[in-house]
Parts: sequence; C-alpha cells; structure tokens
Amino acid sequence: DTGVSQDPRHKITKRGQNVTFRCDPISEHNRLYWYRQTLGQGPEFLTYFQNEAQLEKSRLLSDRFSAERPKGSFSTLEIQRTEQGDSAMYLCASSLRANTEAFFGQGTRLTVV
Amino acid sequence: DAKTTQPNSMESNEEEPVHLPCNHSTISGTDYIHWYRQLPSQGPEYVIHGLTSNVNNRMASLAIAEDRKSSTLILHRATLRDAAVYYCIASGGSYIPTFGRGTSLIVHP
Repeated sequence: DTGVSQDPRHKITKRGQNVTFRCDPISEHNRLYWYRQTLGQGPEFLTYFQNEAQLEKSRLLSDRFSAERPKGSFSTLEIQRTEQGDSAMYLCASSLRANTEAFFGQGTRLTVV
Repeated sequence: DAKTTQPNSMESNEEEPVHLPCNHSTISGTDYIHWYRQLPSQGPEYVIHGLTSNVNNRMASLAIAEDRKSSTLILHRATLRDAAVYYCIASGGSYIPTFGRGTSLIVHP
C-alpha cells in the first residue's frame, strides 16, 4: 500500500497525559498537512510542512501541540497534557506540490477520558 | 482562500445524476477550485479540481461558471457508494486545503 498511513488508528488516554501520533506520507510527496476533525465538522487545518520545514501553523495549534517532520519524511504530532477538548480525529495528508491533490490517511481517533 | 458556500445536504436517487453547487464569489484569478469527499469513518478523498475550464475524470465532472464565482460538481450516475460529505475548496497561493462543513449527499436506492 503506497498511500498515507497513520499510527495508531485509535488512542484512548487519560486527561493530562501526553500522546504522539505518527504519519507516513506518500514517499515522493513534499508537502504534509495535519488536520483535526470533530463530529459534524469539516477537517480543521493545524499545520503543514514543505519537506522538513514547518511553514504554517493554525491558531488552533496551542502551545501544547507540537509537530515535527525530521528529514522531510514521516511526521509526528504530539499533544502534551491532553484535555477532553482534544478528543477528535487527527488526519494527516500529503501532496506532491501546491494545487495538486492531497491524499489523506485514515486518521487517528483520540479519546481523552 | 476564498469563502465557499454549499448547501448543508442534498438527496438523490440511485442511478440519477447529481449536481452539487458551490458558490465562491470572492475567488481570485489564481485560486483553483478543488472538490473532496469524505465517506463515513474515512479521511477525505480527492475528487477533482480545475481553474477555469470544465474538467472531467473517471469520478465526476466539474463545471465552472464563466465568471468563476460558482462551480458545480456533477456525478453522472449516483450510486449508494457516493453517499458522502462533499467539500468545495477555492484556494490559491500556498494552497492549504481549507474545509467548510460541506454538503452531505444522501443517495436513495
């Protein structure tokens, strides 16, 4: 399978714990995006990378959120001191360049209890 | 990115054509129009995109108004598997796909 893969698919954590998600984009894709989606809403943009450089971050991305893309390959999204409001589906997407189609992974569903 | 406006929901019968409208009256000359769809419990899936001319692919057709202030996604023969939320995005520049709430398409057998 050469699509975008995300790990884990599901994560349940206690409030206050840290969690980390991983995204493996399509190998030749330079751009990588992270989104968050809650029930009944469209995906909300969080941040994106052009190769290893993080070029834009949404105001939604509080100080508790950090994302990395070392060597321009896979990416990780970490949430520190999770809160119940962080419960959502976290989606990763990649694209070859601007204005080409973005390919999305299946997402990681986070539940904070 | 230009703001887009879509109906909250639409219904269709199986095997019939579906026309999903999108208004993007503040679109700039360099903004592309992209459509994605999201099936239940899956990530969004690219459908089609265009700039000025109408576009066709194996999934759908995209009809863009001459003034580019609106566009229509056309599914030529709806199937039950087309039941999804359809998102219209008008974006240029750095192009970060920015999603609204989309149109929920219901397909009746």
